[in-house]
Amino acid sequence: NAGVTQTPKFQVLKTGQSMTLQCAQDMNHNSMYWYRQDPGMGLRLIYYSASEGTTDKGEVPNGYNVSRLNKREFSLRLESAAPSQTSVYFCASSVQGSDFYGYTFGSGTRLTVV
Amino acid sequence: QQQVKQSPQSLIVQKGGIPIINCAYENTAFDYFPWYQQFPGKGPALLIAIRPDVSEKKEGRFTISFNKSAKQFSLHIMDSQPGDSATYFCAASMGSSNTGKLIFGQGTTLQVKP
Repeated sequence: NAGVTQTPKFQVLKTGQSMTLQCAQDMNHNSMYWYRQDPGMGLRLIYYSASEGTTDKGEVPNGYNVSRLNKREFSLRLESAAPSQTSVYFCASSVQGSDFYGYTFGSGTRLTVV
Repeated sequence: QQQVKQSPQSLIVQKGGIPIINCAYENTAFDYFPWYQQFPGKGPALLIAIRPDVSEKKEGRFTISFNKSAKQFSLHIMDSQPGDSATYFCAASMGSSNTGKLIFGQGTTLQVKP
């Protein structure tokens, strides 16, 4: 049981380049999330998808786009990378409603924008 | 009102000590309070969680104390070990809602010295 799988694990981009971070879960969870982690700032929500076919902005959505490709996959795209987007990105998934018991996280993508 | 404030930012204890990490929240609609443990290079993993109908929950050496009237909750680690050295995040959510979004604290880096 793989849980939440993120690719790539590491990436270096030049300012202005684009890339897509991939995330897939095999737990039949309805909801998926993208967070970024920066020192001293905890985990901040970028975008989330409560269910297949829906996406919503989180706390820090500027500069990012997302696609909920199907129930399993939720991708995060940086159209024109900036040094301020240097961070560790985590994807997570969860069930909803009264059965909610928190997230299962992936192992993260460490992104450096130079 | 959506913030979760966590303290201290870092903590050093001797083996066998009892580190305590505190969190405070404002939104009284929050109904699920998890703690996550993160080791370097890994994604956060659910450690223990509590709902506001109880004041304390224990799982092994980890205890959550919850004070609903003060809107505070804390994590205690009994008989701490060097293997407990990690970053700890508190979080809160309206878990019973459709989205289950988690709002995270800023994180506490714990070092347990041998």
